[in-house]
Amino acid sequence: NAGVTQTPKFQVLKTGQSMTLQCAQDMNHNSMYWYRQDPGMGLRLIYYSASEGTTDKGEVPNGYNVSRLNKREFSLRLESAAPSQTSVYFCASRTGTGANVLTFGAGSRLTVL
Amino acid sequence: EDKVVQSPLSLVVHEGDTVTLNCSYEVTNFRSLLWYKQEKKAPTFLFMLTSSGIEKKSGRLSSILDKKELFSILNITATQTGDSAVYLCAAKTEQGAQKLVFGQGTRLTINP
Repeated sequence: NAGVTQTPKFQVLKTGQSMTLQCAQDMNHNSMYWYRQDPGMGLRLIYYSASEGTTDKGEVPNGYNVSRLNKREFSLRLESAAPSQTSVYFCASRTGTGANVLTFGAGSRLTVL
Repeated sequence: EDKVVQSPLSLVVHEGDTVTLNCSYEVTNFRSLLWYKQEKKAPTFLFMLTSSGIEKKSGRLSSILDKKELFSILNITATQTGDSAVYLCAAKTEQGAQKLVFGQGTRLTINP
């Protein structure tokens, strides 16, 4: 099993450019999440999708949009990138039952110049 | 505002030492406290604590939760260089949405 797969792993953008981070999980998990990690700030929730067809804002949603394309895929879009969005982005998923522990992807490092 | 605070932020010890990492939390609708280890890439799950006073143990790592004082500790005994990582704690809130509020992390460095 691949678990949670994120693409791309690295990306450099200029201010104002747009891009989409892709995330797919093969564990049949119901819920998916996007976090960003900045030095000294821990992981902060951007958006989440509790189940297919639903999305909700997290702690820091401004400047981002998401799409839960199907049960496997949850994408994060930056419409007009800003230097403040330079960060490492993690996608995660969980089952919704049982131990309910998040499984994380390997992360995507985004730099906005 | 929900908040999770870890201390220390950084810790350097010698191999074989015992370390204690701290995590305090103030969150609404608290459900459980989780510990993750983050090496180069993705955080990996260590423990989930739901009940006060019950120690969870895995090899040289152990953790306990105090729901009265709102904190948790992670102990690592006989540390090894492979324990070097950032350790994250997170409070799980809201049974339905299951959101995690993370602390800043403790960067642990084990020197040989």
